[in-house]
Amino acid sequence: EVQVVESGGGLVQPGGSLRLSCVASGFTFSDYWMAWVRQAPGKGLEWVANIKYDGSEKNYVDSVKGRFTISRDNAKSSLYLQMTSLRAEDTAVYYCARLEYFLSYWGQGTLVTVSS
Amino acid sequence: DIVVTQSPDSLAVSLGERATINCKSSQSVFYTSDNKHYLAWYQQKPEQPPRLLIYWASTRASGVPDRFSGSGSGTDFTLTISSLQAEDVALYYCQQYYGPPYTFGQGTQLEIK
Repeated sequence: EVQVVESGGGLVQPGGSLRLSCVASGFTFSDYWMAWVRQAPGKGLEWVANIKYDGSEKNYVDSVKGRFTISRDNAKSSLYLQMTSLRAEDTAVYYCARLEYFLSYWGQGTLVTVSS
Repeated sequence: DIVVTQSPDSLAVSLGERATINCKSSQSVFYTSDNKHYLAWYQQKPEQPPRLLIYWASTRASGVPDRFSGSGSGTDFTLTISSLQAEDVALYYCQQYYGPPYTFGQGTQLEIK
């Protein structure tokens, strides 16, 4: 069974940093692109970033460029999102998802709250 | 960036009736190289993550009931639920994956009338 499980969310002050993790199982992690998608409270979905299966290509939405870094460790079947210079508007549930052009499997998400 | 717009924002349909949700992209999401439309539909129930329903505009994902169907071409697409069931109450999103940023529509809330 395909599973992706996020962790690392929490409360952080504006300007702070946080690192999200996602552990995958049930498939060969190194064969797939992966992505982070977020959803602000009561709002719609926003694609944040994605990364190629070998980590050689990364894409970001403009609003996080220069602040967020997506990475992966295929040996650990893990995906990461390093978030710095966090703003109130980054408050959201962050989902990890397997990417096959479309987002085929999603985790349950981890909540990031940016507030003083 | 490709803008994706759904209509309506909310929809109430009687049980057993047809529900139709529309999705329009600001530019074509069709790649002639592989003859595919780079558009997907997702369902999100309260307190749950989104679930893939339809990809390549009209291919049902594994385990999705056949009352769900996707259609359309170019810039205009439709998600149809042929006979609404109570468990279909949810938010529905379309998404283009033609090129980054891979934008979503604003969502359509489907309810029972």
